[in-house]
Amino acid sequence: GDSVTQMEGPVTLSEEAFLTINCTYTATGYPSLFWYVQYPGEGLQLLLKATKADDKGSNKGFEATYRKETTSFHLEKGSVQVSDSAVYFCALRASNTGNQFYFGTGTSLTVIP
Amino acid sequence: DADVTQTPRNRITKTGKRIMLECSQTKGHDRMYWYRQDPGLGLQLIYYSFDVKDINKGEISDGYSVSRQAQAKFSLSLESAIPNQTALYFCATSEYTSGGSTDTQYFGPGTRLTVL
Repeated sequence: GDSVTQMEGPVTLSEEAFLTINCTYTATGYPSLFWYVQYPGEGLQLLLKATKADDKGSNKGFEATYRKETTSFHLEKGSVQVSDSAVYFCALRASNTGNQFYFGTGTSLTVIP
Repeated sequence: DADVTQTPRNRITKTGKRIMLECSQTKGHDRMYWYRQDPGLGLQLIYYSFDVKDINKGEISDGYSVSRQAQAKFSLSLESAIPNQTALYFCATSEYTSGGSTDTQYFGPGTRLTVL
């Protein structure tokens, strides 16, 4: 069935470091891909999305490119800030099976000054 | 005001009790979802509803039931709570759009449930 696998954390980086969080997926059809962010004590918020192969989603300095050939949607940011500390979830929306969403297990990021 | 609200935000109950968690939305979306979040497991879908008359089981529906009272309200019930239902519960909404675009989910702040 459809699923998402993302890199396990926790990840700790110094401010201004480069961030990559890996995400790969398994899906039939043509899923849409998402990154959500969860700040402490809050619900998930959409960070960025891509709906077809080679699309690049971007927001707040974060980017991810939908790579069909490698079934990946890795999240990157060139220079992280303390305020980026949160849990990041990769997700896919299936194009069949009732259009359900499938979430990864989340990657906790802590950025230290 | 928040677009997706959940009540209560925190609840402690005892094994065997019936519990209802409520979700309301002002986004006008037709689709609503209930998830639970456990450490290290991410989010698991419990139930989802594409409109008032359409309710579907998700991955982990056993021990749970739902009611879609109106387009804006979707309640989750635990008929007889057990300790392994201790988790963080999230409600979400989305609006399907056609023409090749995709719906995005919007989450409430969560309800932390503890079953003793």
